[in-house]
Amino acid sequence: SQQGEEDPQALSIQEGENATMNCSYKTSINNLQWYRQNSGRGLVHLILIRSNEREKHSGRLRVTLDTSKKSSSLLITASRAADTASYFCAALNAGNNRKLIWGLGTSLAVNP
Amino acid sequence: EAGVTQSPTHLIKTRGQQATLRCSPISGHTSVYWYQQALGLGLQFLLWYDEGEERNRGNFPPRFSGRQFPNYSSELNVNALELEDSALYLCASSLGWREGLGANVLTFGAGSRLTVL
Repeated sequence: SQQGEEDPQALSIQEGENATMNCSYKTSINNLQWYRQNSGRGLVHLILIRSNEREKHSGRLRVTLDTSKKSSSLLITASRAADTASYFCAALNAGNNRKLIWGLGTSLAVNP
Repeated sequence: EAGVTQSPTHLIKTRGQQATLRCSPISGHTSVYWYQQALGLGLQFLLWYDEGEERNRGNFPPRFSGRQFPNYSSELNVNALELEDSALYLCASSLGWREGLGANVLTFGAGSRLTVL
């Protein structure tokens, strides 16, 4: 299967805590992206990290990429109740087919 | 700037009927993608159109089809509906094959929820 994998499947934390989600993939990639989905809605792009980058920050988000292990992690610091959502990683296949391989998502619940 | 718009928001059909879902991409985007998201599951890639042509297709039966119009809007058709077709259908757009090469960041619509009874 070309499906990416994410863990944990579900995560429940208290406001103010940090949340870490992991993503693994199987192919060579051009970049890896993280998206957020609020319940039953469309996805919103959060951050993109290129294959030649190791770490990237955007506000309270920190993404790391380890191409040798074919894995990435998303860290949300100082979480808020509004961060409650599902988070998906998507790896862009290297090559010309521009295929995005999606993870199954991590459901994050931030409790006030 | 208008985002990706999808219609209808909700659609209820019975088994065997046909459903048509529509999507308008962001202005300037020429690529349109369709995904199926069944309840509690991840995104399953359906179709990718770029500049009017089908570029890639996911592992779905032929009764799932679509097209892209000259204005880059797109339509997804599902024939002979089955109960398991009930899902949220998401459309996304991006810069085209040439302009977006190397990035392929998607902007999603809010989705069309299809219920098959």
